[in-house]
Amino acid sequence: DAGVIQSPRHEVTEMGQEVTLRCKLISGHNSLFWYRQTMMRGLELLIYFNNNVPIDDSGMPEDRFSAKMPNASFSTLKIQPSEPRDSAVYFCASSQGDTQYFGPGTRLTVL
Amino acid sequence: AQSVSQHNHHVILSEAASLELGCNYSYGGTVNLFWYVQYPGQHLQLLLKYFSGDPLVKGIKGFEAEFIKSKFSFNLRKPSVQWSDTAEYFCATGGYNKLIFGAGTRLAVHP
Repeated sequence: DAGVIQSPRHEVTEMGQEVTLRCKLISGHNSLFWYRQTMMRGLELLIYFNNNVPIDDSGMPEDRFSAKMPNASFSTLKIQPSEPRDSAVYFCASSQGDTQYFGPGTRLTVL
Repeated sequence: AQSVSQHNHHVILSEAASLELGCNYSYGGTVNLFWYVQYPGQHLQLLLKYFSGDPLVKGIKGFEAEFIKSKFSFNLRKPSVQWSDTAEYFCATGGYNKLIFGAGTRLAVHP
């Protein structure tokens, strides 16, 4: 099992640019979570999906953030336009039941 | 709303010392409890979990945790730490799908 796959692993972009983060779930898992980790705020849940349907997006900071799950195994998190305060590590996790398994994360730096 | 409190933000130990990291949770019905570890520059990995049954849970790498219902606690322990245990440790609780994480405890183990 390859585990949760995220790409890119590192992204450096300029303020105002669109950023797309990608996540592939573990085969057979039906829930997908996007988290953001910063020194100031720790680990925050942004949004999660169950069976491709967004269940709770209350953690999405603002309208600049959007997430989609076009099929059962893949998700994207888009930031448009990006701002320096969006700099963080973004983790994707998947689950089948009560245990979440995390991907390696994408370290985003917005200049 | 469910919440998790980790009392120690930073812990420094020498190798072979015993470890206990505190975690208290607020009761929100079903009690599912987790400890995750994040090694420097890496993603979160599951150390152990408790759903029901024996309140003393053994996890990977020699870690264990004890669920004490009367104290709403789920402390993580290891009898003898190693330099390689240097990491950040997160306690989490949640019902089906959604996890609530504590702020994390950074452990530094000196040789």
